[in-house]
Amino acid sequence: GDSVTQTEGQVTVSESKSLIINCTYSATSIAYPNLFWYVRYPGEGLQLLLKVITAGQKGSSRGFEATYNKETTSFHLQKASVQESDSAVYYCALSPDTNAYKVIFGKGTHLHVLP
Amino acid sequence: EAAVTQSPRNKVTVTGGNVTLSCRQTNSHNYMYWYRQDTGHGLRLIHYSYGAGNLQIGDVPDGYKATRTTQEDFFLLLELASPSQTSLYFCASSAGPQDTQYFGPGTRLLVL
Repeated sequence: GDSVTQTEGQVTVSESKSLIINCTYSATSIAYPNLFWYVRYPGEGLQLLLKVITAGQKGSSRGFEATYNKETTSFHLQKASVQESDSAVYYCALSPDTNAYKVIFGKGTHLHVLP
Repeated sequence: EAAVTQSPRNKVTVTGGNVTLSCRQTNSHNYMYWYRQDTGHGLRLIHYSYGAGNLQIGDVPDGYKATRTTQEDFFLLLELASPSQTSLYFCASSAGPQDTQYFGPGTRLLVL
């Protein structure tokens, strides 16, 4: 079936250091899924961080970026220099381009940024 | 001002209890959704609706009912709560099926 895998449940990084949160997907029934990163800050709901619908393209927002890699079925989230305010839970997700209400989420990665 | 609100934010009930979780959106969106999230799992869709009076079954509907009374309000009903329904519940809304979903802050439910 279709799925999203985030291997790290928690990542700890010192402020100003670089970050990568891994995400791979399996889209056996979807030729060209839409890919997303959502973020949930403490006490708040999930909010869309970035979205990419075309393979090979890169999305970016708030200093974060992710590239849709169809060859490796990956959509890793990166940031060159994290801030303490980036501490949150990050969710990778996919949806079929034709049935986009159906969003499949990864389990989330909790990012702790140390001051 | 938050466009998707949920109440209560925390709820404790006993096995067999009756629970109603409420969600209200002020986005004028047609679509609304209920998800649950458990440790080690991503969000999983319970039910969704594309308008007042409409209800569609999601991926994990067993043990849940839902009702969309108005465009703004979507309720999740647990009529005989079980410990397996202890979870974090999120409501979301979107303008259309392919539009970005906007989430509420979540309701943490504990069933003893």
